[in-house]
Amino acid sequence: GENVEQHPSTLSVQEGDSAVIKCTYSDSASNYFPWYKQELGKGPQLIIDIRSNVGEKKDQRIAVTLNKTAKHFSLHITETQPEDSAVYFCAVQGAFGNEKLTFGTGTRLTIIP
Amino acid sequence: KAGVTQTPRYLIKTRGQQVTLSCSPISGHRSVSWYQQTPGQGLQFLFEYFSETQRNKGNFPGRFSGRQFSNSRSEMNVSTLELGDSALYLCASSFNRGDETQYFGPGTRLLVL
Repeated sequence: GENVEQHPSTLSVQEGDSAVIKCTYSDSASNYFPWYKQELGKGPQLIIDIRSNVGEKKDQRIAVTLNKTAKHFSLHITETQPEDSAVYFCAVQGAFGNEKLTFGTGTRLTIIP
Repeated sequence: KAGVTQTPRYLIKTRGQQVTLSCSPISGHRSVSWYQQTPGQGLQFLFEYFSETQRNKGNFPGRFSGRQFSNSRSEMNVSTLELGDSALYLCASSFNRGDETQYFGPGTRLLVL
């Protein structure tokens, strides 16, 4: 089955600096790569996603890059703010017929004011 | 449009009991997936339902079961509860199958004593 590795497990950055979280996956047939943010006591919230026919996608301060050849993708948050503090999960969805999401182990991001 | 709703939000049960959790997907969404989240194992896929049929199943014992109704609402049942079943159970819905974005509910936190 799919194997997703996520690094780092914890990340602390000064407010205003950038944060980068990386994930690698094993199944080259996977074609959809979402990122979720989970705050305490809440369910995961989709913040950005990318599909296998796109290399990069940006939404204001958040961007995701995908390298299908190397089977890795990254989340980039620029100009970090205190409200960015949360646990971030990458996920990988299999090809049609196996659409379950396989999640990374999560990154606890702390923004230092 | 209302998001995914899950009931109850919190539940305390004792070993050997059974429990039923409910999920109402976003209006118009036809696919519902269930995930278990624990500190040790992270987010793990339980099963997916589409058009009242189970389409995918994760690696969980037969004590975990589910169903989907004609209005796309879904329930999951855990029989003969064990201490290790204590977890946050998350439901996610998507409009259709395939590489569709999944939106999560707030989860049901189950504590087994």
